Amino acid sequence: AQSVTQLDSHVSVSEGTPVLLRCNYSSSYSPSLFWYVQHPNKGLQLLLKYTSAATLVKGINGFEAEFKKSETSFHLTKPSAHMSDAAEYFCVVRALNQAGTALIFGKGTTLSVSS
Amino acid sequence: EPEVTQTPSHQVTQMGQEVILRCVPISNHLYFYWYRQILGQKVEFLVSFYNNEISEKSEIFDDQFSVERPDGSNFTLKIRSTKLEDSAMYFCASSETSGGPLSYNEQFFGPGTRLTVL
Repeated sequence: AQSVTQLDSHVSVSEGTPVLLRCNYSSSYSPSLFWYVQHPNKGLQLLLKYTSAATLVKGINGFEAEFKKSETSFHLTKPSAHMSDAAEYFCVVRALNQAGTALIFGKGTTLSVSS
Repeated sequence: EPEVTQTPSHQVTQMGQEVILRCVPISNHLYFYWYRQILGQKVEFLVSFYNNEISEKSEIFDDQFSVERPDGSNFTLKIRSTKLEDSAMYFCASSETSGGPLSYNEQFFGPGTRLTVL
C-alpha cells in the first residue's frame, strides 16, 4: 500500500528565509508524488508533481521538490518565503501507477510566515 | 481561469437526514472525484466517476453514499441517513483524463463543503 508521512504539522518561518516542508513516502512501486497547497477558503491547488522524469521538480511560486529514492523522501523547498506562502501544504501519492486515480494525502503541514 | 465550484459552502443537518452536496466540475473535464477531510485528519478519497458510472471507490464509500451526474454540468454526492461521523469537509475534483503510469492529469479541486451533522 502507498502512504505519505509529513514530518511536521506546523512550520514557522520569517519572510525572506528558506522554507523546508518534509515528506516521506512508502510505495511498493516507483510512485507519482505531488504537493498540493490550500489557502484559506480556497480549493486544493497543485504546486508540483513528480512522475518518474527529472528528480528535481520545479513548481509554481518558486517552490521545488527533490525525489530521493534512497531516502524515500520528497521534501518541498523554497529559497525565500513570502507572506502569501502561508497556507496548508499536502504531500500526496497516487494510489496506483496506472489508470487508477485515487490520491492519498498526508496529514498536511501548516506554514506560517512572519514579517 | 476555469475552476471547480461547490455548493453550499456549509451545510448543517440533523442526524438521520439526507444531504446532497453539489459540484460543478470544469466544463471539458471527464473524470470527477469526491474526497473528504474529517477535522484534524487526512484528506481521504471517496469515489471517482467517469462516463456516468463509478470507476473507483474506497471502503469509506458504502451504501450510504451515492453519486450522480444529473445533467451536463452538475456532479452530486448524496449521503442518506447522515451520521455524526459524516461531519467533514467534502471536496469535489475533476480532471481531463485519468492519466497513465508516466503522466498525471491534474485533479482540480473545489473549495469544499463543510458538512456538520448534529
